Amino acid sequence: DIQMTQSPSLLSASVGDRVTLSCKASQNIYKYLNWYQQKLGEAPKLLIYYTNSLQTGIPSRFSGSGSGTDYTLTISSLQPEDVATYFCQQYNSWPNTFGAGTKLELK
Amino acid sequence: QVTLKESGPGILQPSQTLSLTCTFSGFSLSTYGMGVGWIRQPSGKGLEWLANIWWDDDKYYNPSLKNRLTISKDTSNNQAFLKITNVDTADTATYYCARTVGIIRGPFDYWGQGVMVTVSS
Repeated sequence: DIQMTQSPSLLSASVGDRVTLSCKASQNIYKYLNWYQQKLGEAPKLLIYYTNSLQTGIPSRFSGSGSGTDYTLTISSLQPEDVATYFCQQYNSWPNTFGAGTKLELK
Repeated sequence: QVTLKESGPGILQPSQTLSLTCTFSGFSLSTYGMGVGWIRQPSGKGLEWLANIWWDDDKYYNPSLKNRLTISKDTSNNQAFLKITNVDTADTATYYCARTVGIIRGPFDYWGQGVMVTVSS
């Protein structure tokens, strides 16, 4: 199975900050990488698919990048409603696997 | 508008079989490229993908659950199902179904609200 490692596990930032979350795969996943946002008590929501494609309805302050084994989710200007846990998921091969998540909180 | 909703027993005892239903609308599992997946999440923990079923009845399972899983669909009634045999307390989690679109693979673009399942004697 492909292991997905997210860092940091907890991130504190201020409103307006540029925030970067990292996700590293144990082998090349050829950009088959998605990002999900999960707010407390809610189901996950797809933000970014195939590394850098913005899901419909997601604000443009969210963006994704990466290749090979290293991927990044960037929030260009953090908003209070972005407080959540963020998960990456590889879907290059079965079984699909998720990272353990990065919990984003306001400083 | 795409919606999905999970249903299940709520609580069951160790060694029993867990049966989950995903009832969806806004898409058809007979449409080329459509699929439904099941993902679970123990309280306060991460996400674990369990199984996928596709429009052509192709199925994928997480091998970590060692043949305990069976996924199926009822295209006419817009439902997908997941059975987990021989449950134990480690299967206590919120179970989600989610739509996926693609050829063999794709992101989970719409999710149900989840159903909590507790395994306890």
